[in-house]
Amino acid sequence: GENVEQHPSTLSVQEGDSAVIKCTYSDSASNYFPWYKQELGKGPQLIIDIRSNVGEKKDQRIAVTLNKTAKHFSLHITETQPEDSAVYFCAASISNNDMRFGAGTRLTVKP
Amino acid sequence: GAGVSQSPSNKVTEKGKDVELRCDPISGHTALYWYRQSLGQGLEFLIYFQGNSAPDKSGLPSDRFSAERTGGSVSTLTIQRTQQEDSAVYLCASSRPGQGLRGYTFGSGTRLTVV
Repeated sequence: GENVEQHPSTLSVQEGDSAVIKCTYSDSASNYFPWYKQELGKGPQLIIDIRSNVGEKKDQRIAVTLNKTAKHFSLHITETQPEDSAVYFCAASISNNDMRFGAGTRLTVKP
Repeated sequence: GAGVSQSPSNKVTEKGKDVELRCDPISGHTALYWYRQSLGQGLEFLIYFQGNSAPDKSGLPSDRFSAERTGGSVSTLTIQRTQQEDSAVYLCASSRPGQGLRGYTFGSGTRLTVV
């Protein structure tokens, strides 16, 4: 089955700097790659996603890139703000009941 | 309701006891998922319900774990004879027809502590 690895496990940046979180996946059939943000005491919330027919997608300060050949995808957050501090999860999926998540990255944005 | 509701939010139980965790999905969402989030780990898929189809139970870690979904709405995850390694946050998610994975909405989870 699919195996998703996520790095780094923790990331600390200064407010205003960029943050990059990387994930790799194992199953070349995976075609949907969402990113979730989980704040303390809450469930994960979808922040951006990308499908396999697209190489990059951007939404304001966040962007995701996908390299299908290398089987890796990344989340980029620019101009980070303290409210971006949270745990971020990547995931890869082929079907509805086969979404596999990475182990998460705890991002801390220092003011 | 406005979101996916899970109860209780926190549960402390003694080793060997049974526990029931409840999930109320968003009204109209036909797909419902249970995940387990252990400390420092990713989200581990447990079980998936879609409408009236037979559930996908492939992620349940042992026969002590079971789940049901009554009337296509509320779901209950039951853990029998709890062990300390069952301590985790149990998350429920639902999605509506046609949205599939993109429509995933998670609840806030139930933090289970087995002492």
